[in-house]
Amino acid sequence: AQSVTQLDSQVPVFEEAPVELRCNYSSSVSVYLFWYVQYPNQGLQLLLKYLSGSTLVKGINGFEAEFNKSQTSFHLRKPSVHISDTAEYFCAVSVIQGAQKLVFGQGTRLTINP
Amino acid sequence: GAVVSQHPSWVICKSGTSVKIECRSLDFQATTMFWYRQFPKQSLMLMATSNEGSKATYEQGVEKDKFLINHASLTLSTLTVTSAHPEDSSFYICSAYRQGRNQPQHFGDGTRLSIL
Repeated sequence: AQSVTQLDSQVPVFEEAPVELRCNYSSSVSVYLFWYVQYPNQGLQLLLKYLSGSTLVKGINGFEAEFNKSQTSFHLRKPSVHISDTAEYFCAVSVIQGAQKLVFGQGTRLTINP
Repeated sequence: GAVVSQHPSWVICKSGTSVKIECRSLDFQATTMFWYRQFPKQSLMLMATSNEGSKATYEQGVEKDKFLINHASLTLSTLTVTSAHPEDSSFYICSAYRQGRNQPQHFGDGTRLSIL
């Protein structure tokens, strides 16, 4: 079975500051990795995904994430955040072979202060 | 990008009522649709996996007779909460997936269900 741990439930940062949202996963088989963003009362929007290849993945809205296989991590970063980045962020994994079921982390609430 | 429409976005009804939620993939044919439930300030929990033309596969602990899923076509899946009670109040989200290389799941905007 797979599991995902997001180490911070809440992350407050000031506008234009850099941010890192941490994600660690556990799996006995190879997985795909995803970051999703959820704005209030909305569904999830895909920020980025790691399937294979380069371990540094660039996504939408200026976000990027780095896959580290030895540390089983997939941390999300943005060099300069904006008020509009305030949202809930979910890290997720799915097994490469299978029904593409996603296993989500607990979520990290990112709050940007002016 | 791919669009998934979920309807209704918000529903309030009396205890004992059955409520149907629709999930449509608007611009692609979804081989699989997923239904999730999300409690306030918590993560998404997968309820069931639905493949077109076959019975849904429910996750452990999810009552099949309470949460009826129908996937009649490649663009439409429905979740019916039968005889809903206050404990069924939650945020329900669907996603649609098209089998193929590197295809992600695309999520609907969710349905806020409140049972009085």
